[in-house]
Amino acid sequence: AQKITQTQPGMFVQEKEAVTLDCTYDTSDPSYGLFWYKQPSSGEMIFLIYQGSYDQQNATEGRYSLNFQKARKSANLVISASQLGDSAMYFCAIRPPGSARQLTFGSGTQLTVLP
Amino acid sequence: EPEVTQTPSHQVTQMGQEVILRCVPISNHLYFYWYRQILGQKVEFLVSFYNNEISEKSEIFDDQFSVERPDGSNFTLKIRSTKLEDSAMYFCASDGDTDTQYFGPGTRLTVL
Repeated sequence: AQKITQTQPGMFVQEKEAVTLDCTYDTSDPSYGLFWYKQPSSGEMIFLIYQGSYDQQNATEGRYSLNFQKARKSANLVISASQLGDSAMYFCAIRPPGSARQLTFGSGTQLTVLP
Repeated sequence: EPEVTQTPSHQVTQMGQEVILRCVPISNHLYFYWYRQILGQKVEFLVSFYNNEISEKSEIFDDQFSVERPDGSNFTLKIRSTKLEDSAMYFCASDGDTDTQYFGPGTRLTVL
């Protein structure tokens, strides 16, 4: 079984500052995928970034980057230059290898960007 | 940009009634999913569907639930006899041969 732990229920960051959202995972599979999704107050789930367990480099997508530390089983999301529109719930998720492609989500971190 | 769509956005039903939630996945995607999120909680996997059959399902997905791909575009989730605890946001998702699952905007189901 796979498990995601997000230990920060809430985080605050000043506009234009960078923020790191923590995610640790537990899996016995040698191959897996890690995802981050954003859920604004309107409720939709927006894909942000993906990291494969065998990817040599940390994933980046615009202002989002993933600090992947495989030995520590952590996949922290870094948001640079925070904007007010970044205020949302952020979920980390893991997907097993092979045909079982369903995502297991963490409990989320509510990020509030302060003006 | 292609997207997953879901209808209705909000469904209110009486306990014991049947509901059908509808989804149109991204057109060239092959894998389809339903997830649910009870208010204030994390997103939970219900079922995955590939090649016209269920590939995985969770403990939540009991005999009250069923999925169907009635034509080449729609993907539906049916709850036969709704319970109060079925009140949640239901998300449809799809992915193709890449690693990314794209989610629809969700259907908020309220069971009275």
